[in-house]
Amino acid sequence: KAGVTQTPRYLIKTRGQQVTLSCSPISGHRSVSWYQQTPGQGLQFLFEYFSETQRNKGNFPGRFSGRQFSNSRSEMNVSTLELGDSALYLCASSFQTLSEQFFGPGTRLTVL
Amino acid sequence: SQQGEEDPQALSIQEGENATMNCSYKTSINNLQWYRQNSGRGLVHLILIRSNEREKHSGRLRVTLDTSKKSSSLLITASRAADTASYFCATVPLSEGQNFVFGPGTRLSVLP
Repeated sequence: KAGVTQTPRYLIKTRGQQVTLSCSPISGHRSVSWYQQTPGQGLQFLFEYFSETQRNKGNFPGRFSGRQFSNSRSEMNVSTLELGDSALYLCASSFQTLSEQFFGPGTRLTVL
Repeated sequence: SQQGEEDPQALSIQEGENATMNCSYKTSINNLQWYRQNSGRGLVHLILIRSNEREKHSGRLRVTLDTSKKSSSLLITASRAADTASYFCATVPLSEGQNFVFGPGTRLSVLP
């Protein structure tokens, strides 16, 4: 089976712009979670989607949003980018919510 | 301390030695998982231990779980230079609708 893929791998944006990141889970996985990883804050949970429904959301401002499509692919969007949004954004999929997660390689976002 | 907090923060050992990392957490869990991350890349699942298990082995990995102390340890035996990475524990909640919580990680350096 193909692993979790994320596109793009690298992205450079300027403050105030918006960005959309994409994640394709492992075939058959219906749960997709998103994380933000920074050196200062570590891995922080953004949100989880299961069968197109947002099941859980982390403590992030409303500028961060996401969605999941019927084929389980997921996107996350960040509007009005701030310098502090520079991070590695990781997507993870799992067959069941409480089971092991399979991570993609991440999207490295740099906000200038 | 935060949920899923590892110690030490950094560990440096010689090839062939054993490496032990600890994880403490606060709330009741369904299971606890350990992940490895090579620099700037996605996380790789290593092992999952359920709340009713006390010890689990996988190759050179040994994980213990003490739910009374709310702690877990990861032992890597006969370490290799390729084990150099960051190791994270993730606590998995009792029910769906709650998110994984990752600790800040232990940075392991195995010197040849």
